[in-house]
Amino acid sequence: GQSLEQPSEVTAVEGAIVQINCTYQTSGFYGLSWYQQHDGGAPTFLSYNALDGLEETGRFSSFLSRSDSYGYLLLQELQMKDSASYFCAEGWGYQKVTFGTGTKLQVIP
Amino acid sequence: DSGVTQTPKHLITATGQRVTLRCSPRSGDLSVYWYQQSLDQGLQFLIQYYNGEERAKGNILERFSAQQFPDLHSELNLSSLELGDSALYFCASSPVGTGGANYGYTFGSGTRLTVV
Repeated sequence: GQSLEQPSEVTAVEGAIVQINCTYQTSGFYGLSWYQQHDGGAPTFLSYNALDGLEETGRFSSFLSRSDSYGYLLLQELQMKDSASYFCAEGWGYQKVTFGTGTKLQVIP
Repeated sequence: DSGVTQTPKHLITATGQRVTLRCSPRSGDLSVYWYQQSLDQGLQFLIQYYNGEERAKGNILERFSAQQFPDLHSELNLSSLELGDSALYFCASSPVGTGGANYGYTFGSGTRLTVV
């Protein structure tokens, strides 16, 4: 089966940088994605890594190391609106996507 | 608007009842996925359909069933409801054959089910 572990909560200061880690155990591997979910809202897709390395999308970057079964989401220049839950997820496209346990990020002034 | 439409947005029903949740995928997407999210929990995969056929099944209870129709909309049926079934139910869709494009799922806004 698939399992993806994340820290449950992270707190960071507005304007700072924060890293949210994800370690996974999967029987197959189809890439690592990241989703953001505000309270009561729908998850929204942020980024996807199929290969090792860093993918950058504006203030957000995502990193993958397949040999370490590890990835992270890096958020720079934190804003209050970044307070949300962040989920890593394994799989992409029309493959079944398994979501991680989720990390609740609180951005404080 | 994500393009994935879920109805109803809210549903309150009594234990033992049956409800149907509806999802219309984004235009052009053939795959539909259903997820359950209980309070402060992660997203639990229930079931996936692709072009009308069941493609993958997660930890879906026997009391739950789903189908995808020829027009690609999907319905999730929940029966003999229990208090523990209270949750947000999300539908998501995705394109197929994107050849490595970095597409994730597109989620609907969810149906909040409350069983009393």
